[in-house]
Amino acid sequence: QVQLQESGARLVKSSETLSLTCSVSGGSVSPYYWSWIRQTPGKGLEWIGYIFYSGGTNYNSFLKSRVTISVAASRNEVSLKMTSVTAADTGLYYCVRHPSAMGAFDIWGQGTMVTVSS
Amino acid sequence: EIVMTQSPATLSVSPGDRVILSCRASQNVNSNLAWFQQKSGQAPRLLIYGASTRATGIPPSFSGVGSGTEFTLTISSLQSEDFAVYYCQQYDNWPLTFGGGTKVEIK
Repeated sequence: QVQLQESGARLVKSSETLSLTCSVSGGSVSPYYWSWIRQTPGKGLEWIGYIFYSGGTNYNSFLKSRVTISVAASRNEVSLKMTSVTAADTGLYYCVRHPSAMGAFDIWGQGTMVTVSS
Repeated sequence: EIVMTQSPATLSVSPGDRVILSCRASQNVNSNLAWFQQKSGQAPRLLIYGASTRATGIPPSFSGVGSGTEFTLTISSLQSEDFAVYYCQQYDNWPLTFGGGTKVEIK
């Protein structure tokens, strides 16, 4: 079955860039949409943005200026970069698959905890 | 942004109880509503999409109804493995938004 595994730096300094990768196994990035969702004690579950396997993106406006999501179809990977992080960006980051742009999130990675330190 | 409001925040119940969780949207989301279950230390798991369609492998003890702005998730007979936090999420408008969750705990 399809499995998603997030990886990347767990500790990021304030004002620096958060970088995460989602590796897809047991399936292909095609023809799906791939979102990043984070979970924080203060805001709960927040949708960050998505990328289509062919490269189209859509971001939540509250993070849009700081976020880039990319896909490497040949490696079956999806990536997230978030610039100028602050303590408010500390949380559990999930990679999630959905079959359509506006569709239910059907497969989730286990999540990776990212802490922003000062 | 559509605000999703779940009630109650916490529900204390006994195994075997029938449980009804509520989710309200601040504007019409049609039937574009999903429910997720999150157990401690795990990622959320899709239970229901399209307001009432069970996801693959979800038992019939879980059922969802509603459309527009009012939705409910019913667990017909709570099992020990069903104690968890439940979230609703709308996918009708951008940005996609989640409710704050209802924790179902043992009485």
